[in-house]
Amino acid sequence: AQSVTQLGSHVSVSEGALVLLRCNYSSSVPPYLFWYVQYPNQGLQLLLKYTSAATLVKGINGFEAEFKKSETSFHLTKPSAHMSDAAEYFCAVTDTGRRALTFGSGTRLQVQP
Amino acid sequence: EAQVTQNPRYLITVTGKKLTVTCSQNMNHEYMSWYRQDPGLGLRQIYYSMNVEVTDKGDVPEGYKVSRKEKRNFPLILESPSPNQTSLYFCASRQLVTDTQYFGPGTRLTVL
Repeated sequence: AQSVTQLGSHVSVSEGALVLLRCNYSSSVPPYLFWYVQYPNQGLQLLLKYTSAATLVKGINGFEAEFKKSETSFHLTKPSAHMSDAAEYFCAVTDTGRRALTFGSGTRLQVQP
Repeated sequence: EAQVTQNPRYLITVTGKKLTVTCSQNMNHEYMSWYRQDPGLGLRQIYYSMNVEVTDKGDVPEGYKVSRKEKRNFPLILESPSPNQTSLYFCASRQLVTDTQYFGPGTRLTVL
């Protein structure tokens, strides 16, 4: 069975500061990993995905994530936060059969002016 | 425009009154799925479908039914809703050969 743990249900950063959202996974097989973003009152939008190609994945809006197998992690980063980045972020994992997608509990990012 | 649509967007109902939430996609995707989102729990998969007439249980299927008679539609049925099914529901779809799921706008259900 696969699972995802997101450390920190709320993260607050200042505008211009580094954003780091943490995600650890457990999977019995090599995983596919995703980060989704949810803006208020909207559905989920894919930020980026790892599917066993390059371990450093670049996504939309300046976000990137690095797959570290030894640490079973897939942390999301952005060098400089913008007010428009305020949203809830979800890490998710699926196995190579790509049947079920398991989500973490989410991290709400606040960006202070 | 490529999209996943859900109806209704908001629904308040009473315990035991059968309801259906519709989901439709116009991208010819084989895979469709339903999730519920609850505070602190993230999204949990209810049911998914790999193609027409092929459905399978996700993590939290109890109290729900689905059907996939047409490729574009994947309705979620609550035959006897209970208050613990009050939640925000999302439908999603993707092609089988890709990994990117497209989500609908959500349906907020309240069961009194």
